[in-house]
Amino acid sequence: SQTIHQWPATLVQPVGSPLSLECTVEGTSNPNLYWYRQAAGRGLQLLFYSVGIGQISSEVPQNLSASRPQDRQFILSSKKLLLSDSGFYLCAWSLNGGNQPQHFGDGTRLSIL
Amino acid sequence: GDSVTQMEGPVTLSEEAFLTINCTYTATGYPSLFWYVQYPGEGLQLLLKATKADDKGSNKGFEATYRKETTSFHLEKGSVQVSDSAVYFCALSDQSNYQLIWGAGTKLIIKP
Repeated sequence: SQTIHQWPATLVQPVGSPLSLECTVEGTSNPNLYWYRQAAGRGLQLLFYSVGIGQISSEVPQNLSASRPQDRQFILSSKKLLLSDSGFYLCAWSLNGGNQPQHFGDGTRLSIL
Repeated sequence: GDSVTQMEGPVTLSEEAFLTINCTYTATGYPSLFWYVQYPGEGLQLLLKATKADDKGSNKGFEATYRKETTSFHLEKGSVQVSDSAVYFCALSDQSNYQLIWGAGTKLIIKP
């Protein structure tokens, strides 16, 4: 069966520091991968998605970036965090192709001080 | 473009009450429809899905029927429990580019 791992679970960072969140998927090949952000008490905002290695689509212009160095690895990065980057970050995967459900990791709670 | 509209929350019910959370959608083509549940501090879990008109998805006592004529996918449960307290998200698949279109989420609070 497929599993998705996301870490760390919580992170406290100062403003202006860099960020790296990692997500890996096991048990499937060539998945679609997604990064979402969820502000407190709010809905989901799609940040990036990827349909293959090195293929990244950005949905929201901001100081975050994403990379997919391996088939089942998806990394969310920032060179300099802003206060507004605080939130709950969720990684998800789906099978390749349309009409597929997405399956989520446990999320990373990011607090910027 | 495609969109999903959910009833605003929070929805507060007593234990053993009947639950309905409304979800309507606009879409071109033939999307699949999903309900997800998010417990406090956790990621989203797929609760149920339906892939074509008149399909009924069900799981853990929850049900939803894909109604193309009313463009709806309402979530129902006959008798809720305190453990059902969570945020529920309705979503539809975007067949063209592999994304899901999300509703805003509905917070459900069940009181003992």
